[in-house]
Amino acid sequence: TQLLEQSPQFLSIQEGENLTVYCNSSSVFSSLQWYRQEPGEGPVLLVTVVTGGEVKKLKRLTFQFGDARKDSSLHITAAQPGDTGLYLCAGARGGNQFYFGTGTSLTVIP
Amino acid sequence: DTGVSQNPRHKITKRGQNVTFRCDPISEHNRLYWYRQTLGQGPEFLTYFQNEAQLEKSRLLSDRFSAERPKGSFSTLEIQRTEQGDSAMYLCASINGPGPLGYEQYFGPGTRLTVT
Repeated sequence: TQLLEQSPQFLSIQEGENLTVYCNSSSVFSSLQWYRQEPGEGPVLLVTVVTGGEVKKLKRLTFQFGDARKDSSLHITAAQPGDTGLYLCAGARGGNQFYFGTGTSLTVIP
Repeated sequence: DTGVSQNPRHKITKRGQNVTFRCDPISEHNRLYWYRQTLGQGPEFLTYFQNEAQLEKSRLLSDRFSAERPKGSFSTLEIQRTEQGDSAMYLCASINGPGPLGYEQYFGPGTRLTVT
C-alpha cells in the first residue's frame, strides 16, 4: 500500500490540451516534490513545495500544495510532446524518508 | 559535478546468483538512498545512509539484501540468491539537504536487473 495515490494513472492527450494530475494522501508531509521520469532513466526533480497552500509556476507547469499539506496537484497548460513521461509525486516526512506516489504516465500526441 | 552515477546500467542474471550494484553519489552529499521501482510504478524506499551509517531499512529489504557505504562515499547494494521477483530498476539518490527548497533528491540513471 502506497502512502500517496496519484490520478489518473494513465493520460493520453493531444498537443495543446491542458491537463491536471492529482496526488492525494491521508498523511501530512513536511514537503512534497514532483518528478518527471523518462523510460530507462532516473526521476528528475521538477519542484519542491513546502508551505500549505503554496503555488509554484514553472513556465507551463503549475504546482499546488494543499492547505493541509496532504495533497498536491500538477497542472500543465498547452501540453507538448516533450512533456511525455511518468510524473511522480513524493512526500517527505521530516526529511528522512520519501514516499513516492503511484505515478501518472502522460503521453502527448503531436 | 557529474551527478549521481550507477553501475552497471543493466544486469541479467540467473535465478540463485548473487549480484552487486554500485552507486556513486554527488561528492558533497551526505545522504544516500536506495529505491526499487517496477515498471510503471513509483519508486519504493529500501534503505538510506547518513554518511557511512545505515539509519533506516524498509521491510522490503529482506535478509537476502545488504547495502553498505563503507567510507561515506560510494555505496553498494548486494542481492544474494536472486529470485525472479527481484527483477526491477534499482535507483540510487543523494541529498545534501536541506537547502532553501527543502530536501532535494538527485537520482542516478538506475540499474535494470532482470532475473531469468
